[in-house]
Amino acid sequence: AQRVTQPEKLLSVFKGAPVELKCNYSYSGSPELFWYVQYSRQRLQLLLRHISRESIKGFTADLNKGETSFHLKKPFAQEEDSAMYYCALGQYGGSQGNLIFGKGTKLSVKP
Amino acid sequence: EPEVTQTPSHQVTQMGQEVILRCVPISNHLYFYWYRQILGQKVEFLVSFYNNEISEKSEIFDDQFSVERPDGSNFTLKIRSTKLEDSAMYFCASSLERVNTEAFFGQGTRLTVV
Repeated sequence: AQRVTQPEKLLSVFKGAPVELKCNYSYSGSPELFWYVQYSRQRLQLLLRHISRESIKGFTADLNKGETSFHLKKPFAQEEDSAMYYCALGQYGGSQGNLIFGKGTKLSVKP
Repeated sequence: EPEVTQTPSHQVTQMGQEVILRCVPISNHLYFYWYRQILGQKVEFLVSFYNNEISEKSEIFDDQFSVERPDGSNFTLKIRSTKLEDSAMYFCASSLERVNTEAFFGQGTRLTVV
């Protein structure tokens, strides 16, 4: 079954520390993976998609098909990174076209 | 910057009543979605809509639910007879394409069934 697992409900780090938000997926096809972020009182917004291989706000994520992972990393966390982070798997095949979300990880960056 | 807008931001309704949640997707987008998030749980897919018909729906989207694009700009989610367990945050989203494209989300409507 298609599934996205984010094992950490809450991750708390100090400003300047490295951050890694874990995401593992289960999908029988070729996965399309995304990270969405939700800042306090704001809407869900796309942070990264694996196909772009880009760095946004200092965050990167590499798709590891062997480990079925798509962990989100940032070398030096900032206080403004505090938010809910959702890993999402795009189901695209036939008539499908939707996102399966993980439960989310709340990142708290302390000064 | 264009945004997906949802109204109302908070809706309180009595169990058994019908509710309609409204969304205005981004104007040139072709694919529309509803998701919901029960408090403390993950965001769950409900339904996707393209070319004036449902293209996919989840197990959650039973006969109590329906969607409509009545006038070419609004996209509505109707819950026919609300249950307590329908209380959740409902998110509308839209995208330009189906595959590997960014879905833009609205701010959400918090539905409270009492």
